[in-house]
Amino acid sequence: GESVGLHLPTLSVQEGDNSIINCAYSNSASDYFIWYKQESGKGPQFIIDIRSNMDKRQGQRVTVLLNKTVKHLSLQIAATQPGDSAVYFCAEKDTGNQFYFGTGTSLTVIP
Amino acid sequence: KAGVTQTPRYLIKTRGQQVTLSCSPISGHRSVSWYQQTPGQGLQFLFEYFSETQRNKGNFPGRFSGRQFSNSRSEMNVSTLELGDSALYLCASSLSQGFYEQYFGPGTRLTVT
Repeated sequence: GESVGLHLPTLSVQEGDNSIINCAYSNSASDYFIWYKQESGKGPQFIIDIRSNMDKRQGQRVTVLLNKTVKHLSLQIAATQPGDSAVYFCAEKDTGNQFYFGTGTSLTVIP
Repeated sequence: KAGVTQTPRYLIKTRGQQVTLSCSPISGHRSVSWYQQTPGQGLQFLFEYFSETQRNKGNFPGRFSGRQFSNSRSEMNVSTLELGDSALYLCASSLSQGFYEQYFGPGTRLTVT
């Protein structure tokens, strides 16, 4: 299967700081990427997505950056809040319409 | 608007049995996808249904099957359960086919003993 991995399994940040969560993917033919947030006891929640013809996309307090040269995806969360504490997954869709999730990064926000 | 609902939320079965899980998508959503989540393998795609037809399938054995009804509700069936099938089974719905802007339900926690 495809390899969608995360550089850091855990991340702790101070409330109010910016968070950066990274993700590496292995299939250069992947054309669609998504970030999800999963809180304990809940299903994943869609945060933001980006297609491979873009380098950057911004949402409310979140930005996704895609570097196709090094096959790297990142999620930036501005002014991190305690409610942002969760596990974050990246996911990719390849041109064969298969969908792969990364293993997840656990973000802890320190008040 | 109500979110994705899954029933039951928790289930305990023994090896060799079969199980059926149910998913009701968000009203108006026609695509339902199923995923398995385990600590060891993470989130893995099982299959996707759109307009009552399976449109896409992940790499799972034939013991895992599903269907979708005309009201877009979906069921997933696992036959001849194995211990390794213990997992959180998630379904997600979206307006269109193909993983775009999916909304997940809370999942069904299946334990196989």
